[in-house]
Amino acid sequence: AQSVSQHNHHVILSEAASLELGCNYSYGGTVNLFWYVQYPGQHLQLLLKYFSGDPLVKGIKGFEAEFIKSKFSFNLRKPSVQWSDTAEYFCAVIWYNNNDMRFGAGTRLTVKP
Amino acid sequence: DGGITQSPKYLFRKEGQNVTLSCEQNLNHDAMYWYRQDPGQGLRLIYYSQIVNDFQKGDIAEGYSVSREKKESFPLTVTSAQKNPTAFYLCASGTYEQYFGPGTRLTVT
Repeated sequence: AQSVSQHNHHVILSEAASLELGCNYSYGGTVNLFWYVQYPGQHLQLLLKYFSGDPLVKGIKGFEAEFIKSKFSFNLRKPSVQWSDTAEYFCAVIWYNNNDMRFGAGTRLTVKP
Repeated sequence: DGGITQSPKYLFRKEGQNVTLSCEQNLNHDAMYWYRQDPGQGLRLIYYSQIVNDFQKGDIAEGYSVSREKKESFPLTVTSAQKNPTAFYLCASGTYEQYFGPGTRLTVT
């Protein structure tokens, strides 16, 4: 079965630290890639997405992600986190061959002020 | 406003009762989905529907049922056969990108 792996369950950072959250997916041909964020008490919001083109994708709130096809990875980055980035982050993948969408288990980010 | 609505936000039921969660969208999407979110497990697909009057089981369909009689609506019934129904349920719509509703937190005691 196709799968998505997020390597970190819980990440704790101080404000202004740099962030990188890992996401890998299983091979299955062409994919669309997403990062969603869920702030405490709020619903899932799309941070950024990759469909095609430039593998470095910029999203909202200063987040970016890089698609590395050879590594089946789509890691999320932010150069300097803020306390307001405290949330749970989910990587998601849609495989074109069967329109199957899978989510990673999520990474909880805590940013200390 | 375009979007997805789920109601109610919180739902409490006694064990052995069926309960139906509502999901409505006005985004004109053909595809709709139900996920279950549990801590540390991400989102797991319960059922999805690519078009009206058609739906498919996801990874954890046992104990759940759905209907898709209208394009805008995709209600989920949590039956008494679902062994561990207490969870946060999310509805989504869209094909190559999914848009999510605010969720319903179901507690069964």
